[in-house]
Amino acid sequence: TQLLEQSPQFLSIQEGENLTVYCNSSSVFSSLQWYRQEPGEGPVLLVTVVTGGEVKKLKRLTFQFGDARKDSSLHITAAQPGDTGLYLCAGVRNTGKLIFGQGTTLQVKP
Amino acid sequence: DSGVTQTPKHLITATGQRVTLRCSPRSGDLSVYWYQQSLDQGLQFLIQYYNGEERAKGNILERFSAQQFPDLHSELNLSSLELGDSALYFCASSVEGGKNSPLHFGNGTRLTVT
Repeated sequence: TQLLEQSPQFLSIQEGENLTVYCNSSSVFSSLQWYRQEPGEGPVLLVTVVTGGEVKKLKRLTFQFGDARKDSSLHITAAQPGDTGLYLCAGVRNTGKLIFGQGTTLQVKP
Repeated sequence: DSGVTQTPKHLITATGQRVTLRCSPRSGDLSVYWYQQSLDQGLQFLIQYYNGEERAKGNILERFSAQQFPDLHSELNLSSLELGDSALYFCASSVEGGKNSPLHFGNGTRLTVT
């Protein structure tokens, strides 16, 4: 059973386009993390959102935590080829256990 | 560089064999996690250690075992290997292992079972 559903699974866009990745669950999490993973490397933490409704910005990336702390989104503005990679969301339980989504593979073409 | 070191980077072995994967956590981190990443299952949590003691267990098979040593490095032992065990195995570390401790991942060990 996949507790965290990410969509879309694959996304191929042109440089300069905007995109949104979604992370949905029926479970409540104490916080939610977003990671980016490049080929041959491990996931790297981008951001942690903690409060329901929280919005965090990291340059062209905007992360939002749902009001009920069950879902999150990642919006990228004017995507660049350097944004290419696997984006993973991970819900954090009160116990500290991390539940990862399946990931969204993003390809940004020049 | 996350500061987490995993060896070896690649491992090719035959079915039925046993392998050991090694992880050195970031300096100062007390908690170590092991994850398995495959194309069809995504990133699956296997097991967590904190300061030498097992703290949490995930979807770890009985054929797999792990330990964390007094110097805080960890080893993941995989035995009676099957073709389906082929995957990327990641180690991650965090300062305290609680819900507010972000994880720092190594670059993984790619295991191929033939």
